[in-house]
Amino acid sequence: SQQGEEDPQALSIQEGENATMNCSYKTSINNLQWYRQNSGRGLVHLILIRSNEREKHSGRLRVTLDTSKKSSSLLITASRAADTASYFCATDLSNDYKLSFGAGTTVTVRA
Amino acid sequence: DAMVIQNPRYQVTQFGKPVTLSCSQTLNHNVMYWYQQKSSQAPKLLFHYYDKDFNNEADTPDNFQSRRPNTSFCFLDIRSPGLGDAAMYLCATSETGLTDTQYFGPGTRLTVL
Repeated sequence: SQQGEEDPQALSIQEGENATMNCSYKTSINNLQWYRQNSGRGLVHLILIRSNEREKHSGRLRVTLDTSKKSSSLLITASRAADTASYFCATDLSNDYKLSFGAGTTVTVRA
Repeated sequence: DAMVIQNPRYQVTQFGKPVTLSCSQTLNHNVMYWYQQKSSQAPKLLFHYYDKDFNNEADTPDNFQSRRPNTSFCFLDIRSPGLGDAAMYLCATSETGLTDTQYFGPGTRLTVL
């Protein structure tokens, strides 16, 4: 069954604006990952954040993790048309051996 | 560049006609995965190989089989495709652990007529 759930399901923003999406999960994790998927393509790994970390940055991406709330957020700053994609969080359960992907947030950046 | 390659990118088959999808990697990773992804859904793990050890997910239909003849190549065989098997099939690799960062190929879009 699906562990992570992204919110919102879809997001439309103007180029230059920030985009924030959230991921909630149900049970304790070792790490949480964010992936991007452009239409009709494979997934690309963005960031991995471990359960003992609270925030990580990569370029225009900022990921936070709140283990007490069992949630994570992905912020894309100064969005570009090329950021148009679906974004998935993936969690590894502390008592499981594999990644569990959420259904994703579809982000559309309007020029 | 090290990468994960999938062939073909698009595959059309007929109902019940066996089909094989292929994946190759130049990353020399131990673990290879096959995922099925339907429109607007999460990727669903079908099975994975940890080196030569094959691991089937409990809910993967018997219709789906896989082969990994060597470290670099992995195949997904669908013995009798049904209309419900139309989907994007994603191959991925990770270096060692199953919860490590995964590297995905571009996917094969399967259409069943």
